[in-house]
Amino acid sequence: DAGVIQSPRHEVTEMGQEVTLRCKPISGHDYLFWYRQTMMRGLELLIYFNNNVPIDDSGMPEDRFSAKMPNASFSTLKIQPSEPRDSAVYFCASSLQGTGVRELFFGEGSRLTVL
Amino acid sequence: AQSVTQPDIHITVSEGASLELRCNYSYGATPYLFWYVQSPGQGLQLLLKYFSGDTLVQGIKGFEAEFKRSQSSFNLRKPSVHWSDAAEYFCAVGASGTYKYIFGTGTRLKVLA
Repeated sequence: DAGVIQSPRHEVTEMGQEVTLRCKPISGHDYLFWYRQTMMRGLELLIYFNNNVPIDDSGMPEDRFSAKMPNASFSTLKIQPSEPRDSAVYFCASSLQGTGVRELFFGEGSRLTVL
Repeated sequence: AQSVTQPDIHITVSEGASLELRCNYSYGATPYLFWYVQSPGQGLQLLLKYFSGDTLVQGIKGFEAEFKRSQSSFNLRKPSVHWSDAAEYFCAVGASGTYKYIFGTGTRLKVLA
């Protein structure tokens, strides 16, 4: 089975440009998460969705960040305008609600460098 | 508030030696506890998880972890480390009814041949 698929794997852009990161969750999973990983702050939860609806976006750093999930198989994280401090690895993860302990399945991440 | 502490940023062990990675958490009730591993350039992969029941949990790749409520700890162990275990290890805690898992800062493991 395919895992969580993220694109692009690497993105280098200049300050002020718009960046769009994409994620395809595991088929059938009903939760989707966006995390950001940096050396300074570790793994931070930005936002998560349940059945395509945003549940908690309190981790989104500022209005420059936005996330959407138009359908069960696709989500985007957009940064506009981008800044050098947004440089990080962005992970998408998905999960299936059920009984017991719920595991997150992570994609391989999108490494963003803003010059 | 929930929190997770991994006191060791880096650990170096020789191949074949035993390993223990420390994780301490702060949470009022019984939490969900996880250990994930991240190889360079890869996403996080679940090693094991605990919510209730037997406090000694077995995971993949020969890892185990023990939940100690009195010490608020969930340490990861492996009796004999292989070179392929070199990676970064993350402990995470989650509360029942929420998906807001909190990750520790990670422990980077180096294995000497």
